[in-house]
Amino acid sequence: EVQLLESGGGLVQPGGSLRLSCAASGFTFSSYAMNWVRQAPGKGLEWVSVISGGGGNINYADSVKGRFIVSRDNSKNTLYLQMNSLRAEDTAVYYCAKERGIDSWGQGTLVTVSS
Amino acid sequence: DIQMTQSPSSLSASVGDRVTITCRASRGIGNYLVWFQQKPGKAPKSLIYAASSLQSGVPSKFSGSGSGTDFTLTINSLQPEDFATYYCQQYNSYPITFGQGTRLEIK
Repeated sequence: EVQLLESGGGLVQPGGSLRLSCAASGFTFSSYAMNWVRQAPGKGLEWVSVISGGGGNINYADSVKGRFIVSRDNSKNTLYLQMNSLRAEDTAVYYCAKERGIDSWGQGTLVTVSS
Repeated sequence: DIQMTQSPSSLSASVGDRVTITCRASRGIGNYLVWFQQKPGKAPKSLIYAASSLQSGVPSKFSGSGSGTDFTLTINSLQPEDFATYYCQQYNSYPITFGQGTRLEIK
């Protein structure tokens, strides 16, 4: 069974940084692209970033480009999202999700950017 | 960017009804489309991939169709647990984009 478990969310001040992690199990992690998707309170889903299985291909939404960095450690079956220069509008539940055509989701971790 | 437009934005239906939700892409995406169900406070759940293939474990009351720019999700014989918000997602090209969601409510 695929399991994705996010961690690292919390309250951070505007301009601050946070690193999210997503621990994966139940599948061959290195064989699959992984995404970060976020959902602001009461809003719809917004794709944030994707990284290929080997880590060599990466894409970002324009809204986070230059501020967020996605990475993965296939030896640890873990996906990361380094979030810098955080803004109030980055407040959301952040989900990790497997595959470009998403087939599995984590439970999400809440990031709140506020002073 | 490819815009995904769902209709309707909200829908009221009764237990036992059949409903159809539409998703339209601003340009052709082949069959690179997924449908999700999301209940309040929960993570989304994947229902359909490649426009018409049922994810493992999803009941056959859910079905998807379409290709190119126009897609539909049909839910047969609505049950109380089906009342939720439904999203489509295209993965033909980056950035990946989602529809705005369709809220399915009990009449």
